[in-house]
Amino acid sequence: NAGVMQNPRHLVRRRGQEARLRCSPMKGHSHVYWYRQLPEEGLKFMVYLQKENIIDESGMPKERFSAEFPKEGPSILRIQQVVRGDSAAYFCASSQGFGYTDTQYFGPGTRLTVL
Amino acid sequence: QQQVKQSPQSLIVQKGGISIINCAYENTAFDYFPWYQQFPGKGPALLIAIRPDVSEKKEGRFTISFNKSAKQFSLHIMDSQPGDSATYFCAASMRAGSYQLTFGKGTKLSVIP
Repeated sequence: NAGVMQNPRHLVRRRGQEARLRCSPMKGHSHVYWYRQLPEEGLKFMVYLQKENIIDESGMPKERFSAEFPKEGPSILRIQQVVRGDSAAYFCASSQGFGYTDTQYFGPGTRLTVL
Repeated sequence: QQQVKQSPQSLIVQKGGISIINCAYENTAFDYFPWYQQFPGKGPALLIAIRPDVSEKKEGRFTISFNKSAKQFSLHIMDSQPGDSATYFCAASMRAGSYQLTFGKGTKLSVIP
């Protein structure tokens, strides 16, 4: 039973380019969260999605960032016109959506470096 | 505003000793408190969790102690082993809303032989 999968594991972009991060949830999970981890910091919530719906994007910067979770395929976190401050580890987590005590299972993360 | 404060930032413990990590929260709406363990290059993994209706939960060598009135909770690792060396995050979530986790900044634990 494969866990949460993320790709790429490492991504290098130059300032102004676009970054696309992919997350495939665990089998049977229809709820996906994205978190960002800056160096020496804890993880910060960005967005919560269910299939074809954005439920809560209160943690996502208003500009340049977007997320989707289509009916088919992985969830995508898209960062347009990246800047150096976007360099971080981006983790997605999936859950079954049973409630607030439902375990969130994390993927290995995508480490984004902006040159 | 940091809603979950974690200390210490780093901790060195001898093998066989007790590791203690503390967290404090501000939002009384938090109703679920998991601890996550993260190894370098990996994603966090759930270690143990507690709800505020109990004051302690134990799983093997790991124990959470919870003090609702003080809004504090702590992780105790008994008989610490080198394999426990990792970064530990406390977190909190609430039953309302999107169930997002609010994390502390993490504690880097090193267990030395």
